[in-house]
Amino acid sequence: DTAVSQTPKYLVTQMGNDKSIKCEQNLGHDTMYWYKQDSKKFLKIMFSYNNKELIINETVPNRFSPKSPDKAHLNLHINSLELGDSAVYFCASSQVGSPLHFGNGTRLTVT
Amino acid sequence: GESVGLHLPTLSVQEGDNSIINCAYSNSASDYFIWYKQESGKGPQFIIDIRSNMDKRQGQRVTVLLNKTVKHLSLQIAATQPGDSAVYFCAETPNTNAGKSTFGDGTTLTVKP
Repeated sequence: DTAVSQTPKYLVTQMGNDKSIKCEQNLGHDTMYWYKQDSKKFLKIMFSYNNKELIINETVPNRFSPKSPDKAHLNLHINSLELGDSAVYFCASSQVGSPLHFGNGTRLTVT
Repeated sequence: GESVGLHLPTLSVQEGDNSIINCAYSNSASDYFIWYKQESGKGPQFIIDIRSNMDKRQGQRVTVLLNKTVKHLSLQIAATQPGDSAVYFCAETPNTNAGKSTFGDGTTLTVKP
């Protein structure tokens, strides 16, 4: 199936831990993104990569570090997790001039 | 049923009725607008888009209307079905790069059988 897939779907961890979320797209898109959706369903862009190059870096704590090994993959590593990091994180991809294709999200719960 | 005002968090309609979800956008430089549907446990999915050189675009059972004068966007769903129950987001973009979209707060549509 052509899609944006991200793993894991659920991630429960304790404060202070480091965790990673992986994302892959097989749509051939040049641009990939990470979005954060809070408990009120508000969606906010965090990062955007175009052909492995960072092009959007919103005001996000530097504990969050994206890594794009190739244009089909964009991973998100989070250091020293805090309670406020609990949210659903969505990976997405697109071509210029076309809508976003989202993965099904990773629900991160920090206890 | 219709959501009114800048946005309404929830809209409840009877199956078979038409639904209208409204969205006000803020950036007059936005020229590309997209509606997404998010079902429970899934990511947002593209429904329909419209560019600023148009004021109406129709899809299958959905129509998007754009009023640039008042910076207003609406999504009309004809003959609403239970499968239409979801959260609907409008997104505005300052150019055709959808990645720079700013998302609205979302409206939860509930369809009563």
